[in-house]
Amino acid sequence: DVVMTQSPLSLPVTLGQPASISCRSSQSLVHSDGNTYLSWFHQRPGQSPRRLIHKVSNRDSGVPDRFSGSGSGTHFTLKISRVEAEDVGVYYCMQGTHWPLITFGQGTRLEIK
Amino acid sequence: QLAESGGDLVHPGGSLRLSCSGSDFTFSDYAMHWVRQTPGKGLQCVSAINDKGDITHYADSVKGRFTISRHNSKNTLYLQMSSLRTEDTGVYYCTTTRYWGQGTLVTVSS
Repeated sequence: DVVMTQSPLSLPVTLGQPASISCRSSQSLVHSDGNTYLSWFHQRPGQSPRRLIHKVSNRDSGVPDRFSGSGSGTHFTLKISRVEAEDVGVYYCMQGTHWPLITFGQGTRLEIK
Repeated sequence: QLAESGGDLVHPGGSLRLSCSGSDFTFSDYAMHWVRQTPGKGLQCVSAINDKGDITHYADSVKGRFTISRHNSKNTLYLQMSSLRTEDTGVYYCTTTRYWGQGTLVTVSS
């Protein structure tokens, strides 16, 4: 299985400051079709995960533009330009390149300092 | 757009069938997954099925005990769970990965 490793696992951030989460995969996530199927999800307490980003850098509908994704190959990053109170929760990266063996990172808990 | 049902409290060794109904999107266009979230832990895909239903996958921990299936004309996904173990306890989400249900709680306990 492709192992997804996130860092940090805990991220205390001051409101209005930027935040960055790293995600590394144990194998390349470049698919034979040329796409890289790396997604980012946000899960608030008591809620289902919500997809924020797909194919590395494409924001889903309704996702604020303060969220951005980047990376290639085996190293990917989610950035929040200015953290707001509603951004608290756990963030997960997920690879879909090696479907059906989709795998998630361990999660990064973002909290407000 | 996705709604799971069927979660319950069951004894070890017991069986359960989860269902997931899709709406407001073309269900038959999407591969579907059952993703388990255990207390205090992360997300694990325990089973996946392609759009047509002829390719399935199981995590090693559930292989031989769980069966995934889908009925595209009914926009419904299923997970038949048998020989349940305490470690199968968790919230089970059905998801395309773009769309997620609200989850259904499975508790395996004596």
